[in-house]
Amino acid sequence: KNQVEQSPQSLIILEGKNCTLQCNYTVSPFSNLRWYKQDTGRGPVSLTIMTFSENTKSNGRYTATLDADTKQSSLHITASQLSDSASYICVVSASSSASKIIFGSGTRLSIRP
Amino acid sequence: DTAVSQTPKYLVTQMGNDKSIKCEQNLGHDTMYWYKQDSKKFLKIMFSYNNKELIINETVPNRFSPKSPDKAHLNLHINSLELGDSAVYFCASSPDRGDYGYTFGSGTRLTVV
Repeated sequence: KNQVEQSPQSLIILEGKNCTLQCNYTVSPFSNLRWYKQDTGRGPVSLTIMTFSENTKSNGRYTATLDADTKQSSLHITASQLSDSASYICVVSASSSASKIIFGSGTRLSIRP
Repeated sequence: DTAVSQTPKYLVTQMGNDKSIKCEQNLGHDTMYWYKQDSKKFLKIMFSYNNKELIINETVPNRFSPKSPDKAHLNLHINSLELGDSAVYFCASSPDRGDYGYTFGSGTRLTVV
């Protein structure tokens, strides 16, 4: 069964600290993996997209890694800011069909001043 | 502003009623989607339209009927609302059916009482 599991479910860190969010998937065949940021009361916004051949991709203070062999991805946030408080959702695509796109339930990140 | 806009943002209604949610995108995208985000925060696809043509219809009760008058609009009509329909419904669009650079709307929180 195609699944995407994220950990931790929630995380609280102090402003300025770094953190890493995890995503494990069993989706097959693998097409691509995206990380989205969802602010409270808003729709998700894409941060990064990674295909099978890519190991790492950065978007400002966000760096995503992908290990296609172990089917794991991580999202590292550097020097966190209060505006980073949001849910971060890992999304894995099994093929070119939107019906084969599997969303994780997200990690709720709270940044404290 | 270029965006995906959906209305209303909040909808509270009684069981058995019929309601509609509207979605419009001015991004020039060909493909539009309806997603449901349940209480556990999982996003699940419901429908997808490409240039007014239905291309994805997941296992959704036939009380839900999407309508796309043109490629910039995708509305969702729900008949005989049930308590279990309470959720946040997101509209999204992408340039075409094979590109998953989704742009999401802000969501409609539906509460059935």
